[in-house]
Amino acid sequence: AQSVAQPEDQVNVAEGNPLTVKCTYSVSGNPYLFWYVQYPNRGLQFLLKYITGDNLVKGSYGFEAEFNKSQTSFHLKKPSALVSDSALYFCAVCEYSGAGSYQLTFGKGTKLSVIP
Amino acid sequence: DTAVSQTPKYLVTQMGNDKSIKCEQNLGHDTMYWYKQDSKKFLKIMFSYNNKELIINETVPNRFSPKSPDKAHLNLHINSLELGDSAVYFCASSQELDESNEKLFFGSGTQLSVL
Repeated sequence: AQSVAQPEDQVNVAEGNPLTVKCTYSVSGNPYLFWYVQYPNRGLQFLLKYITGDNLVKGSYGFEAEFNKSQTSFHLKKPSALVSDSALYFCAVCEYSGAGSYQLTFGKGTKLSVIP
Repeated sequence: DTAVSQTPKYLVTQMGNDKSIKCEQNLGHDTMYWYKQDSKKFLKIMFSYNNKELIINETVPNRFSPKSPDKAHLNLHINSLELGDSAVYFCASSQELDESNEKLFFGSGTQLSVL
């Protein structure tokens, strides 16, 4: 089965500083990787995805992610953190679930706190 | 207009009761899902359902039964509720595309508390 791991439960960063939220993956074949964000009391929102092509993927709200095949990583990054970026971030991998359907399998999430 | 809507937002009930959570999407998507998020925020898929078939996750107890009257609705019925069922349940939908474009749209969640 495909899986992703987020090694950090929480990441704290000062406003204006660069941020990184880590994700590593374990897949057979080509990885299809995603990042989602969950604000308090809300459902998850899509940020970005890696399918193929450039290793640096740009997404919503100024976020980007770097795909690194040799390190099997897909870390989420932003050059300058905002207080409003404080949320729960999920890395996910897409896998086949049978009968022509696909599903996203999520990591356990990383809570990002941006300190003013 | 809300793309994926769930009701109720909060549900508090006694052990042993039967309850339902409703979900509707107005995106015209073919596939809908139920996810469970536990107290540690771990998110796990329960079911996916498309026009053709219900895909059941084997780790879900058979007390949980999804029902889809049409492709815009996927309701979740839970029988004989247990304390361990307390969680936030998220409905989601997507187009029935291949694995390179599996973008999900989530509802805002239903917080279920079993007393």
